[in-house]
Amino acid sequence: DTAVSQTPKYLVTQMGNDKSIKCEQNLGHDTMYWYKQDSKKFLKIMFSYNNKELIINETVPNRFSPKSPDKAHLNLHINSLELGDSAVYFCASSQTLNQPQHFGDGTRLSIL
Amino acid sequence: AQSVTQLGSHVSVSEGALVLLRCNYSSSVPPYLFWYVQYPNQGLQLLLKYTSAATLVKGINGFEAEFKKSETSFHLTKPSAHMSDAAEYFCAVRGFTGGGNKLTFGTGTQLKVEL
Repeated sequence: DTAVSQTPKYLVTQMGNDKSIKCEQNLGHDTMYWYKQDSKKFLKIMFSYNNKELIINETVPNRFSPKSPDKAHLNLHINSLELGDSAVYFCASSQTLNQPQHFGDGTRLSIL
Repeated sequence: AQSVTQLGSHVSVSEGALVLLRCNYSSSVPPYLFWYVQYPNQGLQLLLKYTSAATLVKGINGFEAEFKKSETSFHLTKPSAHMSDAAEYFCAVRGFTGGGNKLTFGTGTQLKVEL
C-alpha cells in the first residue's frame, strides 16, 4: 500500500493552462505539505496544512492554491501555468507537526 | 532562520569504500537535523534524524551521522559503500514558523558508487 500517493505522476501541458495535482495519504497523519524541486534538485517548501488548516504559506505566486478537503488529502491547483513552473512537485505528510515527513513519489510537471 | 550547506554536489566512491557526505548547519535554536535519500524518479526517504538525544545517530541501510555542535556539522557516513547506495542525498534542518514544521533542505549530494 502506498503511504503518500500523488496523481498524476507526469503532467505535460501548455503555458496558460490550469491544472491540478492530487495527493492522498493513508497514514492517518495530521499534517501535509507541498514541496517544489527544481531542475537543479533544489527542494523548497510551498505550503503546509495541519488538520486542514493552512500553517505555512511560503512566497509562492497566488496562481498556486492548495486545497485540503480533509486531513487525508491536499491538492494543489495551478492557474495560468508558466514555463518556470516546470519542476517536480512533492507531497509529504507527518503524523504531527513535530514528526518526520513521509514523501510521495512526485509529480513531474512539464510546461511546453 | 535555519540553513544547511552540503559540501560537494557530487561524490564518487568505490564499492566497499567509506562513504562520507558533508553537511553543516546554521540555526539560531537547537536544531533538529535529518538526512534523506532520493533514488531516481522517487520521492525522498528518511535515512535518519537527530532530535537532541544521542549525538551519534544510526539510520537505515547502515548509514549513521554524528551531530557535532562545536563544528555545526552533521556528516553522513557508511563504512562500506554498496552499488545500491547510488542516489541523491539531502541534509535538512527543521525550523519553526508560526508553529509549522518547515524543513529547509541543502542542495543535495549525488553519490556515485563505482566497481
